[in-house]
Amino acid sequence: DAGITQSPRHKVTETGTPVTLRCHQTENHRYMYWYRQDPGHGLRLIHYSYGVKDTDKGEVSDGYSVSRSKTEDFLLTLESATSSQTSVYFCAISEGPVLAGGGDEQFFGPGTRLTVL
Amino acid sequence: AQSVAQPEDQVNVAEGNPLTVKCTYSVSGNPYLFWYVQYPNRGLQFLLKYITGDNLVKGSYGFEAEFNKSQTSFHLKKPSALVSDSALYFCAVRPRQGGNTGKLIFGQGTTLQVKP
Repeated sequence: DAGITQSPRHKVTETGTPVTLRCHQTENHRYMYWYRQDPGHGLRLIHYSYGVKDTDKGEVSDGYSVSRSKTEDFLLTLESATSSQTSVYFCAISEGPVLAGGGDEQFFGPGTRLTVL
Repeated sequence: AQSVAQPEDQVNVAEGNPLTVKCTYSVSGNPYLFWYVQYPNRGLQFLLKYITGDNLVKGSYGFEAEFNKSQTSFHLKKPSALVSDSALYFCAVRPRQGGNTGKLIFGQGTTLQVKP
């Protein structure tokens, strides 16, 4: 978890409310990712960023948006939370496949447990 | 569709015995291959990776993995299991084609239980 923090670590919210999760890194890595972890599904990519203001969708992006205005911060927003978005959310960072010849490993934050009632 | 399969939800092994956690993939070309471990209430930790070269890759905590191109497998192994190895293990792949997006495809995870 070195160099990566996520806030909040736990959140309970009501259906229909907006929620923003924050990922902060001190490693100056170019790539940042948001995943959700659900039993039986492993980790699924929501969105990722390959630089400031450069983002793209992952496999489960519906209902989520992201923003990256600084290298160190990557925000995940649920515009109107639903019960299906109850999950554990992980942020990850990496140097980027170009720099590492494709083999760069991702480093993960401690996770945010989100419950939508 | 590209996918990663970990056929066992749980693997049980006695302490001191060898362990194997299986991973197969369906990805075109020769992907980059990774193993991660997750301890309770923690994020994932990188264990090892295969990029190219020797099919046997050594990683952290005494773990190793064997890449088998013909079987499209990347099984995780350890010669002698410890109780402290008990955790959730994820296999992940990154296709070499399709641009340098860095995206990983994860398996669903295998729980390793090592009993004293």
